[in-house]
Amino acid sequence: GAVVSQHPSRVICKSGTSVKIECRSLDFQATTMFWYRQFPKQSLMLMATSNEGSKATYEQGVEKDKFLINHASLTLSTLTVTSAHPEDSSFYICSARGGRERVGSPLHFGNGTRLTVT
Amino acid sequence: AQSVTQLDSHVSVSEGTPVLLRCNYSSSYSPSLFWYVQHPNKGLQLLLKYTSAATLVKGINGFEAEFKKSETSFHLTKPSAHMSDAAEYFCVVSDMRGYQKVTFGTGTKLQVIP
Repeated sequence: GAVVSQHPSRVICKSGTSVKIECRSLDFQATTMFWYRQFPKQSLMLMATSNEGSKATYEQGVEKDKFLINHASLTLSTLTVTSAHPEDSSFYICSARGGRERVGSPLHFGNGTRLTVT
Repeated sequence: AQSVTQLDSHVSVSEGTPVLLRCNYSSSYSPSLFWYVQHPNKGLQLLLKYTSAATLVKGINGFEAEFKKSETSFHLTKPSAHMSDAAEYFCVVSDMRGYQKVTFGTGTKLQVIP
């Protein structure tokens, strides 16, 4: 089945630094990737949708200058949390959908990244 | 517009007894419906999906769900719970048109008591 690899699984950084999270589709071409944020004991909140080669579409309330998303190739999307602060600490999950998959087909999820900002 | 309601935030069952996790949805168009499972600090794994074919859908690990249009429900069931089933479960609806949006329910935490 389709595999999505997300790296790193855990990262601890100091306040004010930037952190990059990678999301790779290993055995399919991901024309669309989604980035979610999950607060403790809550559901996933869609942050942005990225299509290969174009700018990401951010959900209302998500700061595009703080959460930089790059989808430069069909197998890689990155989320960079810039100038991280403790309130950015969260669980970030990416998901991907292949170009050949029908609309309404399931998403393939990475295993998530636990970000802790100290 | 679409939405998903998971009626129970926590469900507790004894090992070997049936599991029922409830999900109701609303959608302006024919929806695709999914159940995902999430273990602690992990991503989401697809259990099963409904995409307008058979209304009774069988998934992995013995789970199944029945799409009931008249009740706008897509409840997840399993005849006999295992300890390894303890996790968070999310009901998800996706609009069949265009590419978005995927809407997540708030999740149901399943506890399995030995």
